[in-house]
Amino acid sequence: AQSVTQPDIHITVSEGASLELRCNYSYGATPYLFWYVQSPGQGLQLLLKYFSGDTLVQGIKGFEAEFKRSQSSFNLRKPSVHWSDAAEYFCAVVTNAGKSTFGDGTTLTVKP
Amino acid sequence: DSGVTQTPKHLITATGQRVTLRCSPRSGDLSVYWYQQSLDQGLQFLIQYYNGEERAKGNILERFSAQQFPDLHSELNLSSLELGDSALYFCASSAGYGEAGEQFFGPGTRLTVL
Repeated sequence: AQSVTQPDIHITVSEGASLELRCNYSYGATPYLFWYVQSPGQGLQLLLKYFSGDTLVQGIKGFEAEFKRSQSSFNLRKPSVHWSDAAEYFCAVVTNAGKSTFGDGTTLTVKP
Repeated sequence: DSGVTQTPKHLITATGQRVTLRCSPRSGDLSVYWYQQSLDQGLQFLIQYYNGEERAKGNILERFSAQQFPDLHSELNLSSLELGDSALYFCASSAGYGEAGEQFFGPGTRLTVL
């Protein structure tokens, strides 16, 4: 069965600093990988996704992620964090059978 | 606004009761997904329907059932409710059948079981 691990439960960065959120997955085949963001009291919004092609994918709000098959990772990055980026971030893998598995999420706090 | 609507927004009920959560997907989307989000379990995929048919099943309890109607709206039925069923229940929709499609999430229904 597939699994997703987000090793960091909580990350705090200063506004303007760079950000990297880690995601490791376990799945036997080529995964469909997603990053979602959830603001308090809101549903999830897709930031970016990867399923083939260029391993560096660009998303909305200035986010990008890199798929590294050898490390089974799909880390999310942003060069300069804004206060509005404070939220919870979820990495997800979807299998060929359509089953979605989400990580436990990483809560991002942005210091002024 | 994702275009996915869920009703009710909040629901408070007692143990042993049965409730129905409703979801209307974005216009034109054929797939509907249900998720449960709780503090101890995180975000759990429950079930997916595509154009009225069950397509994928996740960690859905036998006490829970869902269906998608001809107009593509979906209902999640939760019965014999337990305290541990208290959670935020999300519905999401996507245009197609496939795994690579973006899912658009609704605002959720917060269920409290007392």
